[in-house]
Amino acid sequence: SQQGEEDPQALSIQEGENATMNCSYKTSINNLQWYRQNSGRGLVHLILIRSNEREKHSGRLRVTLDTSKKSSSLLITASRAADTASYFCATVLTGGGNKLTFGTGTQLKVEL
Amino acid sequence: GAGVSQTPSNKVTEKGKYVELRCDPISGHTALYWYRQSLGQGPEFLIYFQGTGAADDSGLPNDRFFAVRPEGSVSTLKIQRTERGDSAVYLCASSPRVNNEQFFGPGTRLTVL
Repeated sequence: SQQGEEDPQALSIQEGENATMNCSYKTSINNLQWYRQNSGRGLVHLILIRSNEREKHSGRLRVTLDTSKKSSSLLITASRAADTASYFCATVLTGGGNKLTFGTGTQLKVEL
Repeated sequence: GAGVSQTPSNKVTEKGKYVELRCDPISGHTALYWYRQSLGQGPEFLIYFQGTGAADDSGLPNDRFFAVRPEGSVSTLKIQRTERGDSAVYLCASSPRVNNEQFFGPGTRLTVL
């Protein structure tokens, strides 16, 4: 079963704009990770945020985590056509070992 | 360095047949995971190995599915009496330790006719 849900399901923007994707989850987590998937490169890890962290940055990526609301957001700034892909949030549940529970994904399309 | 590799990349089989899917993790990674992804969905956890032992097999859908990792490196996912509903992309991932990022292979696309 899927733990999380991404919102929106699909997003289309122009190159240079920012893209924001949201993820909600249901139970207590150890950490939350964001992955990107496209047909060319498969699933690629983007960023990991632990339950005691509120914000993390990596290059053009910014991730926030609100454990009280059980939600996270991924912001991609100054988007590029190469950012076109599906983005998934995945949680490691408290006491759940190291298995990832993925959300349903957001399909991002960045147009020139 | 070399990433996670999976073979075959594509497998077409007939209903009722037995299949084996192989995963070569990144050298030195002690944890290995199998996931299954259906079209339009996120990956779903199947089984996780820490070393040679299955630490969590709660995601295996039924007893037709089995996985091994006899020497703590390569893993094989085995599916008996395949059904059309088993058609999916089977993903393998490895990580150097618990609660770390996971590195995914390109997947094996299994089609059961």
